[in-house]
Amino acid sequence: GIQVEQSPPDLILQEGANSTLRCNFSDSVNNLQWFHQNPWGQLINLFYIPSGTKQNGRLSATTVATERYSLLYISSSQTTDSGVYFCAVATGNQFYFGTGTSLTVIP
Amino acid sequence: NAGVTQTPKFQVLKTGQSMTLQCAQDMNHEYMSWYRQDPGMGLRLIHYSVGAGITDQGEVPNGYNVSRSTTEDFPLRLLSAAPSQTSVYFCASGQMGMYGYTFGSGTRLTVV
Repeated sequence: GIQVEQSPPDLILQEGANSTLRCNFSDSVNNLQWFHQNPWGQLINLFYIPSGTKQNGRLSATTVATERYSLLYISSSQTTDSGVYFCAVATGNQFYFGTGTSLTVIP
Repeated sequence: NAGVTQTPKFQVLKTGQSMTLQCAQDMNHEYMSWYRQDPGMGLRLIHYSVGAGITDQGEVPNGYNVSRSTTEDFPLRLLSAAPSQTSVYFCASGQMGMYGYTFGSGTRLTVV
């Protein structure tokens, strides 16, 4: 299967700070999505982004498919951004997840 | 619009018991899947389905069975539970191409 590496594994931020999360993958993919798992365990789809750049409020994501990486930017972080951020990639009908970046935002 | 509904939310089984985790979606999604989430290992795909009557194996299918008789339902069966199957299980659905991927709230299973 496709190897997915996320960095950093853990991140602690002061409220209001910005951050960049990275996802590297080992093979060509036709599907890449970012998910947020909140402290209560719920997984929420943030972006469908196999290539290019998208923005949604304080969050944006960029995928450079030819170089096999994707970045998730969080600006002006809030305590509600805390949780684990997962990158998932697929070439067909199987998603491969990274092990996530655990983000803690301190008031 | 309930999205993806999983039941039960919590379950404790004894080794060797069988059970079925239920998953239902009301978004007319063709694609449905089951994952398990273990500490430090992210989510791993168990089985998936691209439509009624069609299922296939993911990364970690051993010990689990699935069927898809309707578009809405995708149950996961544990035939003989083992302690190694202690995990949090998530069901997810999406349109073909896995666009609009939506997760259920999870089932926390403990096998003793």
